Amino acid sequence: SAVISQKPSRDICQRGTSLTIQCQVDSQVTMMFWYRQQPGQSLTLIATANQGSEATYESGFVIDKFPISRPNLTFSTLTVSNMSPEDSSIYLCSVKLAGGPLGELFFGEGSRLTVL
Amino acid sequence: GDSVTQMEGPVTLSEEAFLTINCTYTATGYPSLFWYVQYPGEGLQLLLKATKADDKGSNKGFEATYRKETTSFHLEKGSVQVSDSAVYFCALSGGSQGNLIFGKGTKLSVKP
Repeated sequence: SAVISQKPSRDICQRGTSLTIQCQVDSQVTMMFWYRQQPGQSLTLIATANQGSEATYESGFVIDKFPISRPNLTFSTLTVSNMSPEDSSIYLCSVKLAGGPLGELFFGEGSRLTVL
Repeated sequence: GDSVTQMEGPVTLSEEAFLTINCTYTATGYPSLFWYVQYPGEGLQLLLKATKADDKGSNKGFEATYRKETTSFHLEKGSVQVSDSAVYFCALSGGSQGNLIFGKGTKLSVKP
């Protein structure tokens, strides 16, 4: 297994501001993902964080709104830019471990953002 | 594209009742199937998984069988406890990036 540390765990933000979420993993990982869980909804993949290059975004998500960095194998950040109340969600970091079980992902505890 | 359909919640049961949460999927190829659980105030954690047809995943008294003919992976438990109260997510490994695709989640509340 892995210990995935996400910061902040929760925050209350003002409309129009930006917030950066950090994800640190204590194990070697091959893939890192960022998901969004809107209130009462399922998890939706935002993007795959690629080490040393631009993230791969899913349909409906763009780099200007959700810039992502992954400077090394075990650390990534997600920024939610120019926030609006619709961005109020839980943002989850998820990883696939090097040599880990087929298809299995591990998740951080999430960052709960409330935008006023 | 690949997708997961899960029964709508919330589900409320009395302690020791039998639980079934239905999950069906649409996928090209042969994905692995998973049930994840999210306890109140905690992160998502893997409950059980099955990697090929007819496999049965089991953990903590929960079971699910990978049924290729009905494209299903229903979660069952013979006798639920109050501590099983959580949100349960069915998922498959089908994303182009190696990510998981999730159902909408089913909230289970177990009353004493």
